[in-house]
Amino acid sequence: DAGVIQSPRHEVTEMGQEVTLRCKPISGHNSLFWYRQTMMRGLELLIYFNNNVPIDDSGMPEDRFSAKMPNASFSTLKIQPSEPRDSAVYFCASRMDRVMETQYFGPGTRLLVL
Amino acid sequence: AQSVTQLGSHVSVSEGALVLLRCNYSSSVPPYLFWYVQYPNQGLQLLLKYTSAATLVKGINGFEAEFKKSETSFHLTKPSAHMSDAAEYFCAVSADTPLVFGKGTRLSVIA
Repeated sequence: DAGVIQSPRHEVTEMGQEVTLRCKPISGHNSLFWYRQTMMRGLELLIYFNNNVPIDDSGMPEDRFSAKMPNASFSTLKIQPSEPRDSAVYFCASRMDRVMETQYFGPGTRLLVL
Repeated sequence: AQSVTQLGSHVSVSEGALVLLRCNYSSSVPPYLFWYVQYPNQGLQLLLKYTSAATLVKGINGFEAEFKKSETSFHLTKPSAHMSDAAEYFCAVSADTPLVFGKGTRLSVIA
């Protein structure tokens, strides 16, 4: 099993640019989660999907952030326009559809906005 | 709603000493509890989880944790620390929502 796949692993961009982060969940998992990790705020849940449908996006910080899941094997998190305070590590995780199930995390995308 | 409190943002132990990382939770319904480990520049990896089958849970790399409902605790222990245990450890709770994580505890192991 390849695990959760994220791309790119590193992204450096300038303020105002659009950033798109990508995630491929583990096959057969129907829940997908996007987290953001910073030193100041720790791990924050941004949004999660169940069967490709967004269930809770209350963690999305601003309208500059958007996420989609067009099918069961792909999701994107987009930031437009990006700002320096968006610099963080963004993790995608997936699990089967029960809360007791383990969430498997991808390796993360390290974003730096200059 | 659920929440997790990890006591101590940084714990330092000598190699071979007992490791104890503390986690207290709050949940209005019976919780599921998890410990994850994060090595530098990597994602989070599951160490162990409690799903109500047994209160003492054994995980990978010699770690274990005990669920104590009366104390609302789920502390992580390992009898003898190894240099390779140096990492960030996260406690998390899930009941009727996705995982809610604590702030994390950084474990340093001194030779």
